[in-house]
Amino acid sequence: AQKVTQAQTEISVVEKEDVTLDCVYETRDTTYYLFWYKQPPSGELVFLIRRNSFDEQNEISGRYSWNFQKSTSSFNFTITASQVVDSAVYFCALSDHNDYKLSFGAGTTVTVRA
Amino acid sequence: EAGVAQSPRYKIIEKRQSVAFWCNPISGHATLYWYQQILGQGPKLLIQFQNNGVVDDSQLPKDRFSAERLKGVDSTLKIQPAKLEDSAVYLCASSYLAGGRETQYFGPGTRLLVL
Repeated sequence: AQKVTQAQTEISVVEKEDVTLDCVYETRDTTYYLFWYKQPPSGELVFLIRRNSFDEQNEISGRYSWNFQKSTSSFNFTITASQVVDSAVYFCALSDHNDYKLSFGAGTTVTVRA
Repeated sequence: EAGVAQSPRYKIIEKRQSVAFWCNPISGHATLYWYQQILGQGPKLLIQFQNNGVVDDSQLPKDRFSAERLKGVDSTLKIQPAKLEDSAVYLCASSYLAGGRETQYFGPGTRLLVL
């Protein structure tokens, strides 16, 4: 069975602070995929990144960066120099190689105060 | 490229009434998913279609929920009769598989309130 744990329920920061969202996953599959989605107040889930289990290279996209560590089954997400527009619920998700169904964590609500 | 479209965006009904949601996926996406997202939780898969066939409906409460994708494009999800615990956001997602890579893209969702 697959499981995704996002231990942080809510994080509140002041604008320009960095914020790191934790994600820990469990799977028996050797090939799997990890995702981060952003859900702003409008409700739509916005795809941010996909990472394959065989690619442990960290990735940076603008103010976003992701740290994938297979040894600790973690796929953490950092927003650098946060902005008010970053306020949203962020979900980590996991899918396997067979049916690609997504298993989501419970989400972390990020509030960035001006 | 147009995204996943869903309607209505909001629906309020009384318990025991029926309701239907509509989803139009991204053009060319063969796979379509319906998720239920209860407030404060992550989305939970209800049903997965590949073209017009059901791949997985093991989490769909079939005594009251039904879904179809007759022509392999649009899909409808129906609840009949609704219960209070069905209050949630219903998300539709679509995807295509290319080179072993698959990413799901989500619509804006339908917020259902059952009174």
